[in-house]
Amino acid sequence: AQSVTQLDSHVSVSEGTPVLLRCNYSSSYSPSLFWYVQHPNKGLQLLLKYTSAATLVKGINGFEAEFKKSETSFHLTKPSAHMSDAAEYFCVVRDYNNNDMRFGAGTRLTVKP
Amino acid sequence: DAGVIQSPRHEVTEMGQEVTLRCKPISGHDYLFWYRQTMMRGLELLIYFNNNVPIDDSGMPEDRFSAKMPNASFSTLKIQPSEPRDSAVYFCASSLGLGGPADTQYFGPGTRLTVL
Repeated sequence: AQSVTQLDSHVSVSEGTPVLLRCNYSSSYSPSLFWYVQHPNKGLQLLLKYTSAATLVKGINGFEAEFKKSETSFHLTKPSAHMSDAAEYFCVVRDYNNNDMRFGAGTRLTVKP
Repeated sequence: DAGVIQSPRHEVTEMGQEVTLRCKPISGHDYLFWYRQTMMRGLELLIYFNNNVPIDDSGMPEDRFSAKMPNASFSTLKIQPSEPRDSAVYFCASSLGLGGPADTQYFGPGTRLTVL
């Protein structure tokens, strides 16, 4: 069965500095991988997804993630953090063999002025 | 489109009472998902439907939980009787499909349930 590990429960950056949110996964089959963002008291919103096409995926709001099969990683990055990026971020893996979707525990991003 | 609509947004009830959560998916989406989010367990998939038919309910915690989808535009998640440990935020999501470009779930704003 697939699983996903978000390596940091909390990341704090200063506005204008780069963001790195780390995600490692395990999957028996070619996975699809997603990053979702959740702002306080809101539902989840898709940032980007990888579905076996280009390994570097660009998403909304300047975020991107790179699928690295050799490292079983799908880290989320952004060159310059904005105050509005402060939220909870979830890495998600899906095995297409069983359509089971697994969410990571989440990383809370804090952006300091 | 208004997105996925959930009601109520907040529900406070007493232990033993029946609770019904409602969801209206995005029109045209064939898949509907119910999730529960707690601090202790994170996000958990409870059940999902395809074309109104329940496909996988293995995440439903116990028989007190039931979900229905009588038509393509409406689903309910019912807890009877409710218990304090059911307190959580319940999300509904819908998608066009599973796999490929259609595999994007759109989430509703959630229902925050408190069972006293």
